Amino acid sequence: EDQVTQSPEALRLQEGESSSLNCSYTVSGLRGLFWYRQDPGKGPEFLFTLYSAGEEKEKERLKATLTKKESFLHITAPKPEDSATYLCAAEPIQGAQKLVFGQGTRLTINP
Amino acid sequence: DAGITQSPRHKVTETGTPVTLRCHQTENHRYMYWYRQDPGHGLRLIHYSYGVKDTDKGEVSDGYSVSRSKTEDFLLTLESATSSQTSVYFCAISPPRFGGVTDTQYFGPGTRLTVL
Repeated sequence: EDQVTQSPEALRLQEGESSSLNCSYTVSGLRGLFWYRQDPGKGPEFLFTLYSAGEEKEKERLKATLTKKESFLHITAPKPEDSATYLCAAEPIQGAQKLVFGQGTRLTINP
Repeated sequence: DAGITQSPRHKVTETGTPVTLRCHQTENHRYMYWYRQDPGHGLRLIHYSYGVKDTDKGEVSDGYSVSRSKTEDFLLTLESATSSQTSVYFCAISPPRFGGVTDTQYFGPGTRLTVL
């Protein structure tokens, strides 16, 4: 069964304190790994797509990396506005068009 | 923002009543999706559409039906709502990637449905 697990469930950091969020996936062949940001009461907002192990993508203070079994979202010197829930999703090759989502990591950045 | 709207944004209904949620897009994308989001479960796919009148089931399709008569509209119907269908419902759209395979999904603002 295809599965995506994110850890930790919640993370509280001080402003400027860098850290990483983890996304472990078990799918029958990975076509793509997606990261989204979700603010309370809103729909998920697309951040990154990764397609192959070793690939990295960056956007402002965020960098996503991919290995054969997991993906990391690194947050460098975060600011309070980075507080949100971060969602990871895997698209299996066999189940194309069907994303399997993790439960998310709720990130809080204290000023 | 991707041109996606959902209506209504909030709805309270009673058990046993029919409910229809609407997703409207202005992007002319071929693929559209309905998800539900619940605490402890994350986002789960209900149904999706890969063209007008072409739909398929997702992970949690029981109790739901969909219709797509126009490219821009994708309707989700709960024929007889139950309390277990209380949730936040998100619509997503996706442009076709090279070779016709889908790529990134972009989400609407969501509909909060409460079934009493």
